[in-house]
Amino acid sequence: QSALTQPASVSGSPGQSITLSCTGTSSDVGGYKYVSWYQQYPGKAPKLMIYDVSNRPSGVSNRFSGSKSGNTASLTISGLQADDEADYYCSSYTSSGTWVFGGGTKLTVL
Amino acid sequence: QVQLQESGPGLVKPSQTLSVTCTVSGGSISSGNYHWTWIRQPAGKGLQWIGRIHSNGDTKYNPSLKSRVTISMDTSKNQFSLKLTSVIAADTAVYYCAREGSGSLFDPWGQGTLVTVSS
Repeated sequence: QSALTQPASVSGSPGQSITLSCTGTSSDVGGYKYVSWYQQYPGKAPKLMIYDVSNRPSGVSNRFSGSKSGNTASLTISGLQADDEADYYCSSYTSSGTWVFGGGTKLTVL
Repeated sequence: QVQLQESGPGLVKPSQTLSVTCTVSGGSISSGNYHWTWIRQPAGKGLQWIGRIHSNGDTKYNPSLKSRVTISMDTSKNQFSLKLTSVIAADTAVYYCAREGSGSLFDPWGQGTLVTVSS
């Protein structure tokens, strides 16, 4: 199974909205509603931010939202803040009954 | 609330077997419709799903690791474990355990344990 494709880096200014992409195939992202997003700070465990494409766990800011179109899922962060600077990973269920992650995107807040 | 804590050897020699354990507190691993999962992350790289075990004992593994991986559970200790055989330097990583809930969520996660493969 190949890793999902994420841009290596994205940057934005405080207050701005940015969108991170996660591209797979019809055998993973495009075929299921089971896409999730994780935020990871250096040296820390990942934290769930979005699950089932667009659902937000309790405690996660409503500045984070998720969507999907075809084989590409997206995470949008609105009102960018300094502490949003982190690595972000997407994950998808696959037709093999396994899970696959993206390579991660490093978000820099300018 | 459920919490997960990994424990491991820290250092494993090439060709040997890596064994790490995840201790779960705040809930039973044998109840509920959950999968208990292992994920790893080499330094500076992305996450890789290794495999999972269901609360009923069913397992599923990453095809790229399947021949070397075994995940098991010990309900008496409320733990689940990962064994990876014939390790090489590329198996050096932080190993995380996590609970896979209904849908696509891995939550919560353990804090991770670094395992280095080196002679």
